[in-house]
Amino acid sequence: AQSVTQPDARVTVSEGASLQLRCKYSYFGTPYLFWYVQYPRQGLQLLLKYYPGDPVVQGVNGFEAEFSKSNSSFHLRKASVHWSDWAVYFCAVSPAGGYKVVFGSGTRLLVSP
Amino acid sequence: EAAVTQSPRNKVAVTGGKVTLSCNQTNNHNNMYWYRQDTGHGLRLIHYSYGAGSTEKGDIPDGYKASRPSQENFSLILELATPSQTSVYFCASGDRQLNTEVFFGKGTRLTVV
Repeated sequence: AQSVTQPDARVTVSEGASLQLRCKYSYFGTPYLFWYVQYPRQGLQLLLKYYPGDPVVQGVNGFEAEFSKSNSSFHLRKASVHWSDWAVYFCAVSPAGGYKVVFGSGTRLLVSP
Repeated sequence: EAAVTQSPRNKVAVTGGKVTLSCNQTNNHNNMYWYRQDTGHGLRLIHYSYGAGSTEKGDIPDGYKASRPSQENFSLILELATPSQTSVYFCASGDRQLNTEVFFGKGTRLTVV
């Protein structure tokens, strides 16, 4: 069965510093992968998505992620964090043509001044 | 723009009472989902549906029923609410044919006392 692991429950980054949030997935085959962001008291919004193709995908607000089949990973990166990036980030996996979308437990990003 | 609307946004229920959470989507999506979000668990799938008249069990269906009377509407029903069901519930919709991302509502905060 597919699963997603986000090993870091909380990450603190200084404003202006770079960021990497980790995501490991378990799926037999090539999955579709997503990163979502959740701002306080809001639903989840899509940051970026990976469909089979270029392993580096660009998202909104300067975010990007890199798919690695050999490492079963889909890490999220940003070159320079802004205070408005303070949120919870979820990695998700979905099989091609499937119904079920499985989410990781989320990583809370805190931005320090 | 894709729209998923949940009602109510906040609900206080009595232990043993019946609770119905409603969700409406105007995206004409086949798939709809109910998740609950709890600290430390991220998003967990309760029920999902791939079209009007269908409901499927997710990962944590016990204590919940679902109903999909039409393409647009998907309800989550707690026949006998318990304090352990206190949580934030999210509805989402997605297009199976395109295998694109899912779109979330803003959530319903349910407190069972």
